[in-house]
Amino acid sequence: AQTVTQSQPEMSVQEAETVTLSCTYDTSENNYYLFWYKQPPSRQMILVIRQEAYKQQNATENRFSVNFQKAAKSFSLKISDSQLGDTAMYFCAFLCNQFYFGTGTSLTVIP
Amino acid sequence: DTAVSQTPKYLVTQMGNDKSIKCEQNLGHDTMYWYKQDSKKFLKIMFSYNNKELIINETVPNRFSPKSPDKAHLNLHINSLELGDSAVYFCASSQAGYNQPQHFGDGTRLSIL
Repeated sequence: AQTVTQSQPEMSVQEAETVTLSCTYDTSENNYYLFWYKQPPSRQMILVIRQEAYKQQNATENRFSVNFQKAAKSFSLKISDSQLGDTAMYFCAFLCNQFYFGTGTSLTVIP
Repeated sequence: DTAVSQTPKYLVTQMGNDKSIKCEQNLGHDTMYWYKQDSKKFLKIMFSYNNKELIINETVPNRFSPKSPDKAHLNLHINSLELGDSAVYFCASSQAGYNQPQHFGDGTRLSIL
């Protein structure tokens, strides 16, 4: 069975600084997808970034980038130049036939 | 051992039917949620509910209704199913509070014929 682990329940970062959220997963599959979702207080879930397992190049979306280490089954999210609007819950998710979610990391950006 | 369990895992039905998806959590959490994930993998909150408050996303049609017989269950009822209801529906639970870890069920894939 697939599992997704986010070992940091809460994190904080100073505005304009960089923060990294960790995610590890366990699978015996070779082809799959990984995602980071953001959930602000409005409760909407926003897709932040997506990575295909067969791609070695790390995905980037503006200030958001990932460090995908397939052998280590690690998929961390780096947020550069943190902004107040980045304050949210962040969920890591794994997709292979079905979705599996981590329990989330609550990120607070401090002014 | 399953923390959040949803049944059924797959649901195939015809337009116009009424169906329910069940969700149960054994974590002792106060709050439960329903999310809809569309074909583009976008997750949308539908409801969050604890024993004090039901918060409904205003964009959810009133054909969708949550029913909570007790704190450990939050079932999703859907009336007059439409083609656009085809999606994967996720149940989740957490302790009360916005920043509490959410535990997700495995999802229910609903297909409307």
